[in-house]
Amino acid sequence: GAGVSQSPRYKVAKRGQDVALRCDPISGHVSLFWYQQALGQGPEFLTYFQNEAQLDKSGLPSDRFFAERPEGSVSTLKIQRTQQEDSAVYLCASSPWTGSVYQPQHFGDGTRLSIL
Amino acid sequence: SQQGEEDPQALSIQEGENATMNCSYKTSINNLQWYRQNSGRGLVHLILIRSNEREKHSGRLRVTLDTSKKSSSLLITASRAADTASYFCATHNAGGTSYGKLTFGQGTILTVHP
Repeated sequence: GAGVSQSPRYKVAKRGQDVALRCDPISGHVSLFWYQQALGQGPEFLTYFQNEAQLDKSGLPSDRFFAERPEGSVSTLKIQRTQQEDSAVYLCASSPWTGSVYQPQHFGDGTRLSIL
Repeated sequence: SQQGEEDPQALSIQEGENATMNCSYKTSINNLQWYRQNSGRGLVHLILIRSNEREKHSGRLRVTLDTSKKSSSLLITASRAADTASYFCATHNAGGTSYGKLTFGQGTILTVHP
């Protein structure tokens, strides 16, 4: 079956522009995570959705970052007034249900964002 | 912030040799997971070990967990060129969320030469 799909794969923007990154999780997956991965580093948690509810946004770096999942499936991560330090790979992951910590996360291939 | 460190940062071996990667973490955990990432791709789950387990096997993978030392190791036996990738450990912290929020290490870059 289809895995987690992210688009676009690459995004180049000028400093100050707004960007929107899309994630299509595996169908039926309740949990959805966004991570930010700087070059040469491990992923860092940004935010978590259970269906349409954003239960944890503790990792969002600033109020320029906003995420939504209005119908409990597709999610969008939006970054306003981008800055050079926002350059990174943004990864989306989903897992089947919530309430269990003993389940793997399924990752998309990410969006590589470059801010000029 | 990163949970801990992985050691070594980079490992280069010949096909057929074994590869061992280590991961240290800072807080008490519910479970520890290992993921693999090929260049330019997303992470792929390899294995999960619970805090009350000491060793787990999956195919050519062997994972150990020492909660007293807050460390884990991943052993890949009889390595293949296709094992070339970055390997990350990730922890779910005890007393943390119920939804599996993970904290990742910095990763080990493994290169297996044919």
